[in-house]
This record gives sequence, C-alpha cells and structure tokens, in this order.
Amino acid sequence: DAMVIQNPRYQVTQFGKPVTLSCSQTLNHNVMYWYQQKSSQAPKLLFHYYDKDFNNEADTPDNFQSRRPNTSFCFLDIRSPGLGDAAMYLCATSRGTEGGYTFGSGTRLTVV
Amino acid sequence: QKEVEQNSGPLSVPEGAIASLNCTYSDRGSQSFFWYRQYSGKSPELIMSIYSNGDKEDGRFTAQLNKASQYVSLLIRDSQPSDSATYLCAVNLINTGGFKTIFGAGTRLFVKA
Repeated sequence: DAMVIQNPRYQVTQFGKPVTLSCSQTLNHNVMYWYQQKSSQAPKLLFHYYDKDFNNEADTPDNFQSRRPNTSFCFLDIRSPGLGDAAMYLCATSRGTEGGYTFGSGTRLTVV
Repeated sequence: QKEVEQNSGPLSVPEGAIASLNCTYSDRGSQSFFWYRQYSGKSPELIMSIYSNGDKEDGRFTAQLNKASQYVSLLIRDSQPSDSATYLCAVNLINTGGFKTIFGAGTRLFVKA
C-alpha cells in the first residue's frame, strides 16, 4: 500500500545532542511537510518542500533544518535539541497544494 | 484572533446521536477546507475535504461550508464509540506569498456507549 513512513516511532535524545528524523513516501506526492505538534495543540508547520523548493516558516527556529535528497525522502535535523523541542513530529505529503495531506505515523521525540 | 478556531471540548454525545463540530476561520482568501481525525497518540487522518459552499456527504460524515460566514462544520451521524477522537479543522490559504495550511487545535469528541 502507498504510504508515508516515519522512523523511528519513538526517539529519545540527550539535551544538545543532534538528532535526525526520517520520512519516506511511496505516494509520489510532490509536496512534503514537517509539522511539530505538542500535547493538545494544533500541528505547527516547520517547513515544506514543493518539489525541490524549500520553504521555511518565518518562526521556525534555526535549530531545525531539513533535507530532501529525492522525491521519496525527507529528513528533519535538530541540531541542538532543547527540552522545549520534545513533541510529536509529523511528516505529511500532498499532491500539489489543493488537496489534503497524508500523514506518517509520527515520531515522538523525548529530550532528556 | 486565531486564524482557525475550534471549541476544544470535550464534546460528549451518546452512541447513535449526531455529533456537530464547528470551526471558524479568519482569512476570507481561504479556499480549501479539511477535517482530520486524530486518535490519542496517533497522527491525523484526513476524513473530509470541501471546496465550495454547501454540504458534502461521505457515509456518516457531512461537511458544511459557509464562506460568507467563514465557518465550516462536520456532522457525524449515528456516532459510535470508535468516533471518540480529536477532530482537527484545517484551512488552505493561497495568496501571493504562496500557500499555507493552518490547523485548528481540535475538538475532542467523546461518544458514550
């Protein structure tokens, strides 16, 4: 089945230790997104790729970076995780900008 | 004013009843509207999309859009305990700056057996 896969499902990292979250998709969607969601809050867009074009949200901290080496894969790098970065990180894809998203299962990040 | 507003709930309805979830948005340039269901600890799942004024039905779900009043709603008929989840409203806005999807914080629905 076509899907969006995130790895790992759970990630524990030490304060300040770089961490990378991964996302892959078999839907051949051209747009990929990274969202951060904290408990009982709306998902917050960090950035998205429209094809190869990278779009950073104005309020996304510099601590967060992203890479999309090809259509199928996208990575979220957190250079120096702080306690406030503990959250669920959601990868999503869409075909163009008109339709809804397909989300991956998410990665729950814990910072200790 | 938040860009997309939802009552956080919880909204509690008995099994078999109609659950009515509401969402208002602030930007009149909004063009596409979505409802996602999110179970606790899971990721959101798209359940309905609506693009023009009026009603759109899909099984037990009906989405209603009123652009003049800037609200979108979701009705769930014959509610089941398995419908207990948080329902997120999302709005797509396309303007000269590009496009953006804004999510509401969600309404928690609890269906009592």
